[in-house]
Amino acid sequence: AAGVIQSPRHLIKEKRETATLKCYPIPRHDTVYWYQQGPGQDPQFLISFYEKMQSDKGSIPDRFSAQQFSDYHSELNMSSLELGDSALYFCASSGMDRGRTNYGYTFGSGTRLTVV
Amino acid sequence: LAKTTQPISMDSYEGQEVNITCSHNNIATNDYITWYQQFPSQGPRFIIQGYKTKVTNEVASLFIPADRKSSTLSLPRVSLSDTAVYYCLVGESQGGKLIFGQGTELSVKP
Repeated sequence: AAGVIQSPRHLIKEKRETATLKCYPIPRHDTVYWYQQGPGQDPQFLISFYEKMQSDKGSIPDRFSAQQFSDYHSELNMSSLELGDSALYFCASSGMDRGRTNYGYTFGSGTRLTVV
Repeated sequence: LAKTTQPISMDSYEGQEVNITCSHNNIATNDYITWYQQFPSQGPRFIIQGYKTKVTNEVASLFIPADRKSSTLSLPRVSLSDTAVYYCLVGESQGGKLIFGQGTELSVKP
């Protein structure tokens, strides 16, 4: 079965640079979520989109922005990178399929961002 | 969203049954209980979800008492590959943001 695809898998950036992370949800899923997981920490919700509109916002820094496109893929843009932004960034998607447990909420394998 | 409390870590041996209990005293009427498994450097993976009583699937069982203030994830006959962090989450079933608390780090030994 198709899964949530994230790219790139690994990314190394220098301080103050910008980074763009991409997420391709499972086909027919209309909601995308972004999470950040620092070393040894639990995943923290950043932001979500439903039908290309922002649906919820968590602890996302102002330096970060995100959007969902017409094909439902999403991009997380990160500017003025700081050392503390080094983390795993997960994308998840879900769909309004009431026949599926948990609406098919599925996580991608993540992008490991290292800021040096 | 209801706060959850789980043990920080648990140890087990291959072939044993493992039960991880989660407390969620402030669970709301519309809330479901969902468990995720996470391996290092991988995204969390859905294990099981329930609302009340008992739910069983091919990998686990979930026991929820009548007051729903706690739940127990039961993993039958664990293997080394079950070594992971297990998260208990409480919220509405139709998705939305997931609030991860401190999960339980399960270590399965040979």
